[in-house]
Amino acid sequence: GAVVSQHPSRVICKSGTSVKIECRSLDFQATTMFWYRQFPKQSLMLMATSNEGSKATYEQGVEKDKFLINHASLTLSTLTVTSAHPEDSSFYICSARDSSATEQFFGPGTRLTVL
Amino acid sequence: DAKTTQPPSMDCAEGRAANLPCNHSTISGNEYVYWYRQIHSQGPQYIIHGLKNNETNEMASLIITEDRKSSTLILPHATLRDTAVYYCIVSPGGDTNKLIFGTGTLLAVQP
Repeated sequence: GAVVSQHPSRVICKSGTSVKIECRSLDFQATTMFWYRQFPKQSLMLMATSNEGSKATYEQGVEKDKFLINHASLTLSTLTVTSAHPEDSSFYICSARDSSATEQFFGPGTRLTVL
Repeated sequence: DAKTTQPPSMDCAEGRAANLPCNHSTISGNEYVYWYRQIHSQGPQYIIHGLKNNETNEMASLIITEDRKSSTLILPHATLRDTAVYYCIVSPGGDTNKLIFGTGTLLAVQP
């Protein structure tokens, strides 16, 4: 089956620093990747849609200058949380869609803790 | 995207079939019904999806009513490892296939 990986799985950083999270599709090419955020005991919230070779599309209320997305290749998208603050602490999850399929496959998630 | 309504929680005995309902009365003709599940602290796992016809794979069966306003996910022989939050999502396929997650159903499989 389709496999999506994320790195790192867990990161702890100081307030004010930037953190980069990678999302890779391991056995398929993904023209579209999606980034979600999940706070404790809540559902997943879509942050943005990442398209290879073009700018990401952000959902309403998500700051594009704070959450930088780069989809440089058909197998890699990165999310950079800039100037992180404790309220950015969350579970960040990516998903990828094979261009020949309708379903999305999710990565294992990255737990971000900002001190 | 059409919204879905799911019961917040359900219990099921181990080895029995788990039937998880979902209402999507405002679904559009081009929207698929997707089912995902999320085990605690993991990324969601794709289970199955369908448009009009019933579907079956190695994990589950999906029964969609003729008017497409509701569906049921069936796990034929639930195990303890099936304990998870199950999400029913409707979304069009293609490049705009955004998945908007609701609150899902917490299925607790009891020994």
